[in-house]
This record gives sequence, C-alpha cells and structure tokens, in this order.
Amino acid sequence: DAGVTQSPTHLIKTRGQQVTLRCSPKSGHDTVSWYQQALGQGPQFIFQYYEEEERQRGNFPDRFSGHQFPNYSSELNVNALLLGDSALYLCASSLGQGDSPLHFGNGTRLTVT
Amino acid sequence: KQEVTQIPAALSVPEGENLVLNCSFTDSAIYNLQWFRQDPGKGLTSLLLIQSSQREQTSGRLNASLDKSSGRSTLYIAASQPGDSATYLCALIPNAGKSTFGDGTTLTVKP
Repeated sequence: DAGVTQSPTHLIKTRGQQVTLRCSPKSGHDTVSWYQQALGQGPQFIFQYYEEEERQRGNFPDRFSGHQFPNYSSELNVNALLLGDSALYLCASSLGQGDSPLHFGNGTRLTVT
Repeated sequence: KQEVTQIPAALSVPEGENLVLNCSFTDSAIYNLQWFRQDPGKGLTSLLLIQSSQREQTSGRLNASLDKSSGRSTLYIAASQPGDSATYLCALIPNAGKSTFGDGTTLTVKP
C-alpha cells in the first residue's frame, strides 16, 4: 500500500525563479492538501484540491498555485521566489470531501538563495 | 479564526515516565482532531484521530482525549521511551478543507 510520495526531496533555487513540487497521494485517496512548514512552526495550509479543483485556500499570495490531475496526483507551483519561501513543503492526502484523516508525505525542502 | 496552541513548546523527561501533552483550540465547531508525530526534517506521521462525536482514542501506549466544551485535547504517553523523542503536533480537521495546526511540543526522553 503506497503512501504519499513527494518529489524532489530537496531543492535549491535562486530568488525570482519558479519551482514545481509534485505529490502522489496514498492509494485510494482523492484529495490533496499542501502545507508550508517553517522551522520550529506547525504546517500552514496553502490549499486543497478535490476533483481537480481548488476547494479551499489559505492566506498565501497568488504566486502559489496548484493543479490536480485525473489520477489525483498534484503539483504546487511557486513563482517569483522570495527568500521567505524557504521552508519544508508538505503534501497530505485524504479521502473525499469529509473529515477523513490526513496522511502526509516526507516533504520537499526548498531553499531559496 | 481558528487558533491552536500547544504548551509547553518543549518537554524533557526521563525514560519510563508517563506524560501528557496539551492542545487547546478556540473554535470547536464540528471538527475532528488529529495528533501527529514529526521526526527532524521528516513528514508527519499520524498517531490518533478523534472524530468530532468521540471523546477519546487509544493506540498502544498512546491515549488521546477531546473535550470540545473546554476547547482542549490531551495526548497521554505511557511508559515513555527514548524512541518517543520527536515533535508532537495536533491539528483541527474541518469538514472540507483548511486544517489548522499547533506549533508542536518537542519531546525529549532521556535514557
């Protein structure tokens, strides 16, 4: 039973560049949520995708965008990277529109220099 | 706006001790509450999920309770072991969308 997988594991980018992070949900899950976690803090909700549409969005600027594919996998795109975007980006999958438990991947560590 | 607070931010105990981690929240509404463990630089591992209609859940040496009226949840760890050392996070899981996490309690269990 494959869990949530994220790629890449680490990434170094320069300020102003663009980045794409990828997530494959746990087998049988159809909902993907993305989180940003700064050092020493809890994850902050970026957005959630269900049925290929953004269902909920947290307090993040439009530089953060996403996509969900028919196979339920998802991408997180960040444009015009800032130094403050350096963080661990976590993907979580769950089932349906209800309140099912979240299952997390190991994250992508993004460093912006 | 939902706020989730975890106190203390850090806790150090000797091996074998029983301990309680606390999580408080401002809006109980109709939420599930989920406890996670996070090892340094890693993702979150789900420990326990308490559904909104439940009051507690147990798994092995872990027991989590939920009191919506007081806006509190506790995670009880029995007979702590060095392998329990990690950051423990609680999260409010709403119906459809925006989960809210606390900043976690970093637990160190000394041999």
